[in-house]
Amino acid sequence: EDQVTQSPEALRLQEGESSSLNCSYTVSGLRGLFWYRQDPGKGPEFLFTLYSAGEEKEKERLKATLTKKESFLHITAPKPEDSATYLCAVQATSNTGKLIFGQGTTLQVKP
Amino acid sequence: DADVTQTPRNRITKTGKRIMLECSQTKGHDRMYWYRQDPGLGLRLIYYSFDVKDINKGEISDGYSVSRQAQAKFSLSLESAIPNQTALYFCATSRTGGDTQYFGPGTRLTVL
Repeated sequence: EDQVTQSPEALRLQEGESSSLNCSYTVSGLRGLFWYRQDPGKGPEFLFTLYSAGEEKEKERLKATLTKKESFLHITAPKPEDSATYLCAVQATSNTGKLIFGQGTTLQVKP
Repeated sequence: DADVTQTPRNRITKTGKRIMLECSQTKGHDRMYWYRQDPGLGLRLIYYSFDVKDINKGEISDGYSVSRQAQAKFSLSLESAIPNQTALYFCATSRTGGDTQYFGPGTRLTVL
């Protein structure tokens, strides 16, 4: 069964304190792994897609990496405006179009 | 202007009532999806449609139905609402051949 697990569930950081969020996945064949950001009361906002092990993508203070079993979202020198829930999802080659989501990691960055 | 819109944004209803949630998009995408989000459970797929004539059940379709009225419109109905359908509902779209799904702002539904 295709599955996505994110850890930790919640993370509190001081402004400027770098850290990483983990997304472990089990999928029959990976077509793509997606990272989204979700602010309270809003819909998920697309951040990155990763397709193959070793791939990396960056956007401002965020960098996503991918291995054959997990993905990391590295946050460098975070700011309070980076506070949000970060969602990871996978898409299997056997069922394109369907995303399987993890539970999310809620990040709070204190000034 | 938002590319994916959902109406209503908030709805409170009673057990047994029929409810329709609507989604419209101006992205020109062929594929549309309905998800629900519950605390601790993440987003789960209810129904999806790859074009106007193609409707597919997701992992939690029981108690729901959908209608794809046009390429740009996809509605979700709760035929007889029950309290455990209280959740956040999101519509999403993607283009054929593309992988990224783009989400609407959501509808918060409360069933009393």
